[in-house]
Amino acid sequence: DTVVTQSPLSLPVTPGEPASISCRSSQSVLYSNGYNYLNWFLQKPGQSPQLLIYLSSTRASGVPDRFSGSGSGTDFTLKISRVEAEDVGVYYCMQALHPPYTFGQGTKLEIK
Amino acid sequence: QVQVVQSGAEEKMPGASVKVSCKASGYTFTDYYIYWLRQAPGQGLEWMGWINPNNGGTLYAQKFQGRVAMTRDTSISTAYMELSRLTSDDTALYFCVRDLSGRTLDLWGQGTMVTVSS
Repeated sequence: DTVVTQSPLSLPVTPGEPASISCRSSQSVLYSNGYNYLNWFLQKPGQSPQLLIYLSSTRASGVPDRFSGSGSGTDFTLKISRVEAEDVGVYYCMQALHPPYTFGQGTKLEIK
Repeated sequence: QVQVVQSGAEEKMPGASVKVSCKASGYTFTDYYIYWLRQAPGQGLEWMGWINPNNGGTLYAQKFQGRVAMTRDTSISTAYMELSRLTSDDTALYFCVRDLSGRTLDLWGQGTMVTVSS
C-alpha cells in the first residue's frame, strides 16, 4: 500500500499567523493526465471531514482563499495564510491514485 | 438540499453482520460514485471501497475483500455497505461520501457508529 506521511502531527498556531502542513507519499500520485490525485480534508471537532483541496491545488467550493495547496509527484503542502479560530481540527491528506487510497496520520491544529 | 444521510448507530455481536445505508438527495444519484470510509475511535481515516451507482460496479480495498459488499437501490437513491464477520476491530464510525469527479470527495454523510461487543 502507498504510505502517506504528514508532518507535523501537532501544530499550535497564533491567530493571524501562517501555518503549513507537509504531506509525502511513498509513490508518485501524478497521473498521466497531468493531475496529482492528492486531497486535503479538515475534520473539525465532532464533525465529518470536509474537503478543502482536491487535485493537489484546487480549492473546494466555499473554502476560503487563505487555504492553498501545492506540490507534485510525492511532496505536497497545505498552507493557511492567516489562521483563524475556526480552522482548529485535524487536517488529513489523502492519495487517491493507488488503491487502496490512503490517508496521512492527521495533523492537529490548535490555537495558541 | 444536496446531502447524503446515513442510517443510525448499530451495536453488534462479534461474528455478526451490519448493513449501513446512505440516502442521497438533491442530486442525481446515478451520476456520482459513492465511497465508504471508516474511522476507529480516536484514529485516522481508512478507505474501504466505492460503488458506481449507475451500474453497480465496485472496487474494494483488499483488506475487506470477501467481507464487504457495497450495493445500491437506484429507485430510492440509496447506497448500502454490508460488513460481515465483525470483530471488535470493526468498531468505528462509518462514512459514505460522494465523489464529485476524479476522486473529489465533496459530500460526506454524518457517519454511522458501529460498535462490536459481546
